Amino acid sequence: AQSVTQLDSQVPVFEEAPVELRCNYSSSVSVYLFWYVQYPNQGLQLLLKYLSGSTLVESINGFEAEFNKSQTSFHLRKPSVHISDTAEYFCAVSDYGGSQGNLIFGKGTKLSVKP
Amino acid sequence: NAGVTQTPKFQVLKTGQSMTLQCAQDMNHNSMYWYRQDPGMGLRLIYYSASEGTTDKGEVPNGYNVSRLNKREFSLRLESAAPSQTSVYFCASSYGGGPGLTEAFFGQGTRLTVV
Repeated sequence: AQSVTQLDSQVPVFEEAPVELRCNYSSSVSVYLFWYVQYPNQGLQLLLKYLSGSTLVESINGFEAEFNKSQTSFHLRKPSVHISDTAEYFCAVSDYGGSQGNLIFGKGTKLSVKP
Repeated sequence: NAGVTQTPKFQVLKTGQSMTLQCAQDMNHNSMYWYRQDPGMGLRLIYYSASEGTTDKGEVPNGYNVSRLNKREFSLRLESAAPSQTSVYFCASSYGGGPGLTEAFFGQGTRLTVV
């Protein structure tokens, strides 16, 4: 069975500082990996995904994540955060061998960016 | 485009009451999903519909029923609400193959309180 562990439930950082949100997964098969973002009182939006190819994936708003198969990790990073990045971030995994490719979500990390 | 629309946005029920949460998508997606989000638990899949006319149980189906009314609409019914069903419910859709294979689009959520 797959599982996702987000190591930090809350991450407070100051504006313009770098941030890393950690995500580890366990799976016995090859996986697809995702980061979703949830702004206050909204639904989830896809931030970025790894399906295959380059292990470094980027989003349009400056976030990036690197798939590390040996460490079973998919950490999310941003070199300089903005107030508007305040949100909850969910890491998710899917095994592409399973039926329906169901997404398994981590418990979320709340990023709070302070001025 | 509206994307995924859920109604109602808020609801308070008494224990034992029934209600139906409505979801509609206008993206011509084949697959639709219902998740519940609880603090510190991430999102958990209740039911999904891979295509019109089919539905399947997810991780936490007990106490719920679903209907895929047509390609656009997927409703979630609570027959006899219990306080344990107090949660935020999200509907999502994807083109096909499951939310782990193609991007999932989420509605804004329904915040349900059972007293």
